[in-house]
Amino acid sequence: AQSVTQPDIHITVSEGASLELRCNYSYGATPYLFWYVQSPGQGLQLLLKYFSGDTLVQGIKGFEAEFKRSQSSFNLRKPSVHWSDAAEYFCAVGPYNTNAGKSTFGDGTTLTVKP
Amino acid sequence: KAGVTQTPRYLIKTRGQQVTLSCSPISGHRSVSWYQQTPGQGLQFLFEYFSETQRNKGNFPGRFSGRQFSNSRSEMNVSTLELGDSALYLCASSPGGAEPYNEQFFGPGTRLTVL
Repeated sequence: AQSVTQPDIHITVSEGASLELRCNYSYGATPYLFWYVQSPGQGLQLLLKYFSGDTLVQGIKGFEAEFKRSQSSFNLRKPSVHWSDAAEYFCAVGPYNTNAGKSTFGDGTTLTVKP
Repeated sequence: KAGVTQTPRYLIKTRGQQVTLSCSPISGHRSVSWYQQTPGQGLQFLFEYFSETQRNKGNFPGRFSGRQFSNSRSEMNVSTLELGDSALYLCASSPGGAEPYNEQFFGPGTRLTVL
């Protein structure tokens, strides 16, 4: 069965500091990996996705993620955090073929940004 | 293009009642998925509809049902509401083709409170 683990429930960083959110996945085939962000009371917005190719993926809002197959990880990073980045972040894994099943989401990491 | 819309945005019901939530996908998208989000359980997949047929299903009781219309709009119904059904219900649409995997676009959600 596929699963996603986000080990950090809550992270606090200072504005301007760097950020790394961890994500580990378990999937039997080649995974399709995603990071989403959710602001309070809102739906999820896709930050970036990875299926193949360059293992360092660039996304919106200055975020990037690195896929490491040997570690089954897909960590999200940002060099300098802005106060507006405070939100909840979800990592997800999905099948390449939508006929093959559904996406599985991690439990999320809440990011607080200190002024 | 207009995004995914969900109505109503907020709903208050009492135990034992039933509720119907609506989702209008992005124009041209044929797949609609529903998720339940709660603080304790995170994001859980309910079901996915594609071309008016349920394609994937999560592990929810039969009180949760859905349907999709020929214009791809989808409704979700919960009968005999329980307190534990209080949640944010998210709808996500995607083009729905088999390959390559189509990313999901989320609506803002319907906040259901069961008293």
